[in-house]
Amino acid sequence: DAKTTQPPSMDCAEGRAANLPCNHSTISGNEYVYWYRQIHSQGPQYIIHGLKNNETNEMASLIITEDRKSSTLILPHATLRDTAVYYCIVSGNTPLVFGKGTRLSVIA
Amino acid sequence: DAGVTQSPTHLIKTRGQQVTLRCSPKSGHDTVSWYQQALGQGPQFIFQYYEEEERQRGNFPDRFSGHQFPNYSSELNVNALLLGDSALYLCASSLRSSSYNEQFFGPGTRLTVL
Repeated sequence: DAKTTQPPSMDCAEGRAANLPCNHSTISGNEYVYWYRQIHSQGPQYIIHGLKNNETNEMASLIITEDRKSSTLILPHATLRDTAVYYCIVSGNTPLVFGKGTRLSVIA
Repeated sequence: DAGVTQSPTHLIKTRGQQVTLRCSPKSGHDTVSWYQQALGQGPQFIFQYYEEEERQRGNFPDRFSGHQFPNYSSELNVNALLLGDSALYLCASSLRSSSYNEQFFGPGTRLTVL
């Protein structure tokens, strides 16, 4: 079973920031937080990962709480092409365990 | 630099038949993982291959088997197909020596069992 809890769906207006929450209260010290997304009928796409520090790349920012029990993925300026299912995964050196993710709908 | 490729794109089989799906990893990657994604669900891990051996396996029956070749490409075989095997089958590649678990996924093979 997935070790994360995410809301099943969210809406975001185009051009606004999308903030996707994830709870992972049982995360272990050596486990990273990964975010992937899956656009309809495509394979999942890696977005970002982090251990305990906040991370930023060209796609998104990842904010991890100090106790590491939750995190937030931020898409700073959502576009229609960001409409997808977003998966939050915690993993050490183990296979990725996907939950049902959050279906983000970006609305014009 | 080619990403992960999978073939075929779509496949239709009948119950009881056998199927083979193929995957070529991203250039430079040496590890291949296979996932099954049923409609409306997240991908579920089947198994992982490294150095031509199955290294980890998820909760799938022995009807699911695989192989990895010296060039790191991989096959997924499913015997005695059931209706419930209808799904999107995803291949993901990664680098074993990487310190973190970033996997690159292919577009998947859509298997329909009638």
